[in-house]
Amino acid sequence: AQTVTQSQPEMSVQEAETVTLSCTYDTSESDYYLFWYKQPPSRQMILVIRQEAYKQQNATENRFSVNFQKAAKSFSLKISDSQLGDAAMYFCAYRSLLIIQGAQKLVFGQGTRLTINP
Amino acid sequence: EAQVTQNPRYLITVTGKKLTVTCSQNMNHEYMSWYRQDPGLGLRQIYYSMNVEVTDKGDVPEGYKVSRKEKRNFPLILESPSPNQTSLYFCASRDRDSNQPQHFGDGTRLSIL
Repeated sequence: AQTVTQSQPEMSVQEAETVTLSCTYDTSESDYYLFWYKQPPSRQMILVIRQEAYKQQNATENRFSVNFQKAAKSFSLKISDSQLGDAAMYFCAYRSLLIIQGAQKLVFGQGTRLTINP
Repeated sequence: EAQVTQNPRYLITVTGKKLTVTCSQNMNHEYMSWYRQDPGLGLRQIYYSMNVEVTDKGDVPEGYKVSRKEKRNFPLILESPSPNQTSLYFCASRDRDSNQPQHFGDGTRLSIL
């Protein structure tokens, strides 16, 4: 079974600085999706960025980018020019591409709570 | 507007009193699922449904039931709630195309006393 590990329960960063959130995962599959979700105090689950494992290029969405290291099974999220609105819980998640029973779920990490200091 | 709607958003109830959390999506998605979120554990899948009348257990199904009689609705049923089911619950839906992301509801905070 796949597992996702976020080893940083909490992180903090000064406003306008850059912060990197870590995520590692374990799988025997070669093709899959990886995601970062943001959960602000409103509790909504907001998709931040997505990476397809077959793509070597790291995904980027405005100030958010990932460092995808497939061999190391690492998927970190970098937030540049941090803003107060970035304060939230961040979850890393894995999803298989297999179309078999039970494989289509999202497997989540434990979450990292990010605080932005003004 | 494409959305997944969960009700209620908050519920405080007592042990043993049956409750249902409703979930409805307006995107004609085949795949729907329920997750629970607990501190330090992230989100874990409870049940999922690949289509109408097709449901199966996720990772933490004990104490829960689901049904999928219509494509848009996927209710979560707690027949005899217990305090260890106090949690934050999310319904999610997705198109069958694996390239599509999940759409999440806004969450339901359940407290079982």
